[in-house]
Amino acid sequence: DTGVSQDPRHKITKRGQNVTFRCDPISEHNRLYWYRQTLGQGPEFLTYFQNEAQLEKSRLLSDRFSAERPKGSFSTLEIQRTEQGDSAMYLCASSPPESLGYTFGSGTRLTVV
Amino acid sequence: AQTVTQSQPEMSVQEAETVTLSCTYDTSESDYYLFWYKQPPSRQMILVIRQEAYKQQNATENRFSVNFQKAAKSFSLKISDSQLGDAAMYFCAYRGVNKGGKLIFGQGTELSVKP
Repeated sequence: DTGVSQDPRHKITKRGQNVTFRCDPISEHNRLYWYRQTLGQGPEFLTYFQNEAQLEKSRLLSDRFSAERPKGSFSTLEIQRTEQGDSAMYLCASSPPESLGYTFGSGTRLTVV
Repeated sequence: AQTVTQSQPEMSVQEAETVTLSCTYDTSESDYYLFWYKQPPSRQMILVIRQEAYKQQNATENRFSVNFQKAAKSFSLKISDSQLGDAAMYFCAYRGVNKGGKLIFGQGTELSVKP
């Protein structure tokens, strides 16, 4: 297993376009998390899944954001009608059941121009 | 709501010397977990060390140790014998018990190591 994989690594999009990011967690990890990290700041929690169920969403996750984990494996994060303020690094992490340990992916850097 | 504060945006240390990174947090919970994560320029976040709040003994992992002061809500990281590879952003993070594993991060401290 090569760890948590995120695709793409970089995405440049025009304001108003929709973008979708993918995260492939470690296979036996049932929890999956999305965070957003802006330049010079710590990651901020967006949402998390236990298996296919989305159990918590941050108020940061506006109605333009949606996340799915349809089969309890990979997850997608979609941003509709992107705005310049959406420019950030989007980090995915996963953890096994009943564990304190996270494994982070390398992130997807989004630039909205 | 819980908050985590790192008041040192940047720190510098000479190779082989010791450096301490500060972190304070605010919570009304009595049981929780605290972490230090390292984020090298490649951007993948790596766990450095973890402390359970119910444990009085400070955690240690090789050259990394913490000073956990529960009453003061302070959680500092000491790096001994600093190496060039220690240069990175360091984040302090809080996790409540039974909160689904969500982490609350501080703003980070950028550590540079001088040869």
